[in-house]
Amino acid sequence: GAVVSQHPSWVICKSGTSVKIECRSLDFQATTMFWYRQFPKQSLMLMATSNEGSKATYEQGVEKDKFLINHASLTLSTLTVTSAHPEDSSFYICSARSGLGYTFGSGTRLTVV
Amino acid sequence: GNSVTQMEGPVTLSEEAFLTINCTYTATGYPSLFWYVQYPGEGLQLLLKATKADDKGSNKGFEATYRKETTSFHLEKGSVQVSDSAVYFCALSDIEGAGTALIFGKGTTLSVSS
Repeated sequence: GAVVSQHPSWVICKSGTSVKIECRSLDFQATTMFWYRQFPKQSLMLMATSNEGSKATYEQGVEKDKFLINHASLTLSTLTVTSAHPEDSSFYICSARSGLGYTFGSGTRLTVV
Repeated sequence: GNSVTQMEGPVTLSEEAFLTINCTYTATGYPSLFWYVQYPGEGLQLLLKATKADDKGSNKGFEATYRKETTSFHLEKGSVQVSDSAVYFCALSDIEGAGTALIFGKGTTLSVSS
């Protein structure tokens, strides 16, 4: 089946530093990947849609300069949280659509201290 | 715009009880509907889906029927187990195609005790 590998699964960083999260489609080509953010006990909020070889499309209210998305190949999309602050602490999940439907990564728990 | 509304949780049940988690949606056209489950500390797993009106999705004893007339996709299970404790998300995809993201409800936490 379609598998999306996301890592790291958890990361702790200091305020002001940047963190990169990677999502790879292992057995299919993902033209498009979606990045979500999940706050504790809340739903998944779509942050952006990442398209291979072009700029990501960000949802309203999401700072594109803070959440840098790169989709350089058909199997890799990255989300970089720049100059992280404690309020950026959250659970980030990527997703891609294959012929089998939507597949989700296992998520990254980011804690900014 | 498109949206999904789920019943507020948490839902607390005893083992072998009957489960219903309500989900209604607002969408243009004919969306596909999904239920996802998230176990503690993990990502999302597809539980079941339905792509057209009157379709019934089913998996692991869970069922949901796509009701266009009531714009609903309620999740049911006849006899829950402790291992079903998780957060359940109703979601929709309004357009077929690789470029369309899922829209999620807020999630309903289910806690099953023995």
